[in-house]
Amino acid sequence: DQQVKQNSPSLSVQEGRISILNCDYTNSMFDYFLWYKKYPAEGPTFLISISSIKDKNEDGRFTVFLNKSAKHLSLHIVPSQPGDSAVYFCAAIGQAGTALIFGKGTTLSVSS
Amino acid sequence: KAGVTQTPRYLIKTRGQQVTLSCSPISGHRSVSWYQQTPGQGLQFLFEYFSETQRNKGNFPGRFSGRQFSNSRSEMNVSTLELGDSALYLCASGGPNQETQYFGPGTRLLVL
Repeated sequence: DQQVKQNSPSLSVQEGRISILNCDYTNSMFDYFLWYKKYPAEGPTFLISISSIKDKNEDGRFTVFLNKSAKHLSLHIVPSQPGDSAVYFCAAIGQAGTALIFGKGTTLSVSS
Repeated sequence: KAGVTQTPRYLIKTRGQQVTLSCSPISGHRSVSWYQQTPGQGLQFLFEYFSETQRNKGNFPGRFSGRQFSNSRSEMNVSTLELGDSALYLCASGGPNQETQYFGPGTRLLVL
């Protein structure tokens, strides 16, 4: 059973608008969450992370929100740019853990 | 700082053969993790090494093994290759904030 779920396989957004990518998790022991961006034939690139003691973290155009009671997090990209088109993976890690548990990814397409 | 490097980038093998993949982490990073990415299963954790010791292991058969050297470089070995081992193998380097892992470009393995 998947502990980290990204239920939307794909998302299409116009340039300049907001992209919202969602992620749900089932394991309440997860205490750190990360978002990665991946282009074909490349390794994932770290984007932003959030600790479970926070509910929001911002880095430039990227903001991650965490709702622990709902076991849900989201990545907001504002404004979206064509170069943001990629596969986005949500990942989680437990206390003192070292293994990242990944969702299946959401393919974001930003059109100009 | 140089990023995570992986060699070779591409590899073709036949069933029954064995293969060794190499990973050099970011300078100063002591943790190296390996992941397998396939279209069906997504990104899955194989194992993690820290200071030459395997610290964590995923749910893969014993055909998958690894090691880490004193300079933190790591190798992953897969013996008796099966068609299903065709995948992108990713190495990740963990820094002082070990929850955040930085990935290399991956080795694309094709088993015929």
